[in-house]
Amino acid sequence: DAEITQSPRHKITETGRQVTLACHQTWNHNNMFWYRQDLGHGLRLIHYSYGVQDTNKGEVSDGYSVSRSNTEDLPLTLESAASSQTSVYFCASSASGATGEQFFGPGTRLTVL
Amino acid sequence: ILNVEQSPQSLHVQEGDSTNFTCSFPSSNFYALHWYRWETAKSPEALFVMTLNGDEKKKGRISATLNTKEGYSYLYIKGSQPEDSATYLCAFINNAGNMLTFGGGTRLMVKP
Repeated sequence: DAEITQSPRHKITETGRQVTLACHQTWNHNNMFWYRQDLGHGLRLIHYSYGVQDTNKGEVSDGYSVSRSNTEDLPLTLESAASSQTSVYFCASSASGATGEQFFGPGTRLTVL
Repeated sequence: ILNVEQSPQSLHVQEGDSTNFTCSFPSSNFYALHWYRWETAKSPEALFVMTLNGDEKKKGRISATLNTKEGYSYLYIKGSQPEDSATYLCAFINNAGNMLTFGGGTRLMVKP
């Protein structure tokens, strides 16, 4: 069965460290997204991609970057982790087009000390 | 940043009660509205994708309606069951882009 996975599921890091969160999907979807979930804010879009070599900034992109070298993966990098980036991160994918429902990964809980 | 609001923020009902909640979004440049169900400790799962004014969708005891002219969608649950307890999210896309903007969600708790 097709799926979307994230790793690690839990991560503790220190302020200033570079951290990369992995997202892998086997749906063969063109669109991939990264969200963060914070109390009082719901899900907010960090970065998204509509295909290989395409990346776009979302609502809260500062301090984050992504790259899309193949269809299956969209890793999210925190260049220099800050305590404000402590959050739960969700990756999602969807087929092409804005009406495609999004399929979400299980989430990564990141704590920055 | 698009303003997508959901009300109420939380709702407690008894098993068997029917309930509904609201998603409000900008009425201009509408493209699509998504509803997701998000159980605790799990990931959001899609319920409906709605694109046409007047659209009504149904899945079991859950249904949704859409009014794009006035910028709102209702989600209805008939005869709530404890397993319906979850956060229900709506998300809006305008025709300027393909990004979903999520509302804050309505947290539903159904007591047995």
